[in-house]
Amino acid sequence: SQQGEEDPQALSIQEGENATMNCSYKTSINNLQWYRQNSGRGLVHLILIRSNEREKHSGRLRVTLDTSKKSSSLLITASQAADTASYFCATENRAGGTSYGKLTFGQGTILTVHP
Amino acid sequence: GAVVSQHPSWVICKSGTSVKIECRSLDFQATTMFWYRQFPKQSLMLMATSNEGSKATYEQGVEKDKFLINHASLTLSTLTVTSAHPEDSSFYICSARDRTDYYSNQPQHFGDGTRLSIL
Repeated sequence: SQQGEEDPQALSIQEGENATMNCSYKTSINNLQWYRQNSGRGLVHLILIRSNEREKHSGRLRVTLDTSKKSSSLLITASQAADTASYFCATENRAGGTSYGKLTFGQGTILTVHP
Repeated sequence: GAVVSQHPSWVICKSGTSVKIECRSLDFQATTMFWYRQFPKQSLMLMATSNEGSKATYEQGVEKDKFLINHASLTLSTLTVTSAHPEDSSFYICSARDRTDYYSNQPQHFGDGTRLSIL
């Protein structure tokens, strides 16, 4: 399997419900980041959690990180139709040399929030 | 906040044409820039890492003669897709960071991407 696997691949919920997405990775990381991408658009950075952190909040977002299991989850509470997008986790590996932390992206979760 | 400008946002051209995509950091010095490619309904795949003044480091499977990367200044990196063919049609995204971003665990700054369509 690939670094940065996400599940589910697709998630469909009603407005107001919570959405949980999971991400697993394989190597040692410097940090793990979550991004949102609306169809055909660029990436929007949501949250970064460092390898020595276990949980982080930002508005309606809650991210957890379990380095022993090499996994992370993104929880979006009280979802809104505007949250409809693809969500990607990305791990920044512990880099050496001059490649300052290149990112490895997960396969993504397509979230659809029905109004 | 830090802004990365990517140009053009969309380009359509004939097979065999070479296409240049620019990635500029507008308010910071981009020590390192990254180029990603994203096929429809897929994730982003890193193509190469470029450090200012050095040759780019390409990921396995990426043809360096096909995808020419230049990072001649601290604010500009270019990706040139040479002799483009329909299979090169994709969404290309750059990102940039300065040295302090890495050590302070700050995220990279992404451009808005370039949609390349080769006819």
